[in-house]
Amino acid sequence: DGGITQSPKYLFRKEGQNVTLSCEQNLNHDAMYWYRQDPGQGLRLIYYSQIVNDFQKGDIAEGYSVSREKKESFPLTVTSAQKNPTAFYLCASSIRNEKLFFGSGTQLSVL
Amino acid sequence: DQQVKQNSPSLSVQEGRISILNCDYTNSMFDYFLWYKKYPAEGPTFLISISSIKDKNEDGRFTVFLNKSAKHLSLHIVPSQPGDSAVYFCAALSGAGSYQLTFGKGTKLSVIP
Repeated sequence: DGGITQSPKYLFRKEGQNVTLSCEQNLNHDAMYWYRQDPGQGLRLIYYSQIVNDFQKGDIAEGYSVSREKKESFPLTVTSAQKNPTAFYLCASSIRNEKLFFGSGTQLSVL
Repeated sequence: DQQVKQNSPSLSVQEGRISILNCDYTNSMFDYFLWYKKYPAEGPTFLISISSIKDKNEDGRFTVFLNKSAKHLSLHIVPSQPGDSAVYFCAALSGAGSYQLTFGKGTKLSVIP
């Protein structure tokens, strides 16, 4: 059945390490997004992509990178430049720019 | 500067009563509003939305009211059920070409049996 799959569910990062969070969707949605949620905070937009091979920075893009080589996939790399990476990361997709469908999230923690 | 504000971090309601969750916004360019529901360690799920051309939208037990002059919207859940216990996020969008939803910090609703 259709949906958004994020993996892994839990991820640990060592100091100075880059890690990549996976996001795959089979909803045939054009737009995909990455959000970060911190405890007691709302969702903040990291990056979004409206079409393949194109993406834009959101509000908190520093220390992150993305790629959109396929419509179905929008991986997020948390680089060593992101000094406070511990958070719950949510991937989402949409047909246009309205109702977003979210994945189940990845909890990233620093060792 | 927070453009979408949910000033109540938490709310407790008895089962069967009405839950009212509030949201205020400051950006007058916002013209589409959504409510999402989120359980712990899961992604948010879409609940209900409203366009700025309307002042009310209803879907079953859920009704969203929009007061544009006050820049205020509210989500009413009637009757409240224990399964409604979750964090509710208000979100806003400005313009048909924008892809950037702005979220509030959320309100944790607890429905007491």
